[in-house]
Parts: sequence; C-alpha cells; structure tokens
Amino acid sequence: SQTIHQWPATLVQPVGSPLSLECTVEGTSNPNLYWYRQAAGRGLQLLFYSVGIGQISSEVPQNLSASRPQDRQFILSSKKLLLSDSGFYLCAWRAPTIPNEKLFFGSGTQLSVL
Amino acid sequence: AQRVTQPEKLLSVFKGAPVELKCNYSYSGSPELFWYVQYSRQRLQLLLRHISRESIKGFTADLNKGETSFHLKKPFAQEEDSAMYYCALSSGYALNFGKGTSLLVTP
Repeated sequence: SQTIHQWPATLVQPVGSPLSLECTVEGTSNPNLYWYRQAAGRGLQLLFYSVGIGQISSEVPQNLSASRPQDRQFILSSKKLLLSDSGFYLCAWRAPTIPNEKLFFGSGTQLSVL
Repeated sequence: AQRVTQPEKLLSVFKGAPVELKCNYSYSGSPELFWYVQYSRQRLQLLLRHISRESIKGFTADLNKGETSFHLKKPFAQEEDSAMYYCALSSGYALNFGKGTSLLVTP
C-alpha cells in the first residue's frame, strides 16, 4: 500500500536560517507531488507541485523553493527564513493521469520562525 | 482564474440539526470538486467528490453549475462531525482549496 512520510513534525528556526523539509512517498511510481501551507486565517495555500523528477511549478512567489531529486522525494527549502514563513506545511501526493483522483496528505510539519 | 470561496470560518450547530457548509467556485472549464475533512489530530482526508455523487458519513454535496456552488449538507449533525472542512477545486494538476470552515456540533 502507498504511504507518505513527512518530517520533521515540528521545527523552530530563527529568522534568517535555512530550511529543508522532506517528503517521501512509498508504494507508487511517478506520483504528482504537492506542498501546501496552512496558515492561520488563510486556509490551505498551494505552494508548489511537481509532475515529474526535476519538474517544479510554483503557485505563489515567495521565499521558498522546492525540488524533486528523485521520483518519490519532494523537498521544500529556503535559504533565509522570514517570520512570515511560519505555518503548518503539508506534503501530498496524487496518482497521475487519473481524473478526479484524490490527494493523500502527510502528517505535516509545524514550522515556527522566531 | 480558479477560485474557491468558503464564506463561513466557523459554523456551530446543535446535535441533530441540519448542517450546510457553503462552497462557491470560479472556474472557466468543467470543474472537478471535492470536500476534504480534517478531524482533530488526524490527517486531512477526502470526504467526497462530486463525480461520485456519493453519500459519505451522511454528507452529500451537489454540484450546481448555475450557481457555481458545491455546498456540503447533512440532515442531522452528530458530535463526531466536528472538524475542519475544506472545499477544493481541481484544475489540471493543481488542487486549490478554500479557506476552510470549522464545524462545531454541540450536544
């Protein structure tokens, strides 16, 4: 069966420090991968998605970047964190090419930038 | 541009009362709409999708293209329905969510 792993679960980082959040999916190949941010009062905001290795689409301009070095690995990064980067980050995957297919979400990372 | 609007941040109802969580969308093509739910201390998960025309946990949602709505309804709310509900619109590869409605069912 398919599983999605996301870590760390919580992270406290100072302003200006780098960030790396990792997400891996098991039990499927060539998934569509997504990074969302859940911020207070703003709901779920799509940050990045990827339909293949090395392919990244950015939905909003920001201080963050994403990479997909392997088929089932999706990384969210920042060179210098801002206070506004605080939030709950969710990774998700979806089977490709199947209409109306649902998203499977990871357990999330609570990031606090101080 | 595609957009999902959930006008209510919080909805509080009594157990046994009907509940309707509103969702309106803006999309130029043929929409694919979903409702996701997040119970306390659980992962966000799919509740239902419009294409299936299904009833899950007593919830239904009908796509109304004329009103561009996909409201979630349940005739008799239960305490275990208390959760965060998100309406979502699929456009190509991306799935865009509304801001969510927190449903609180009180005894």
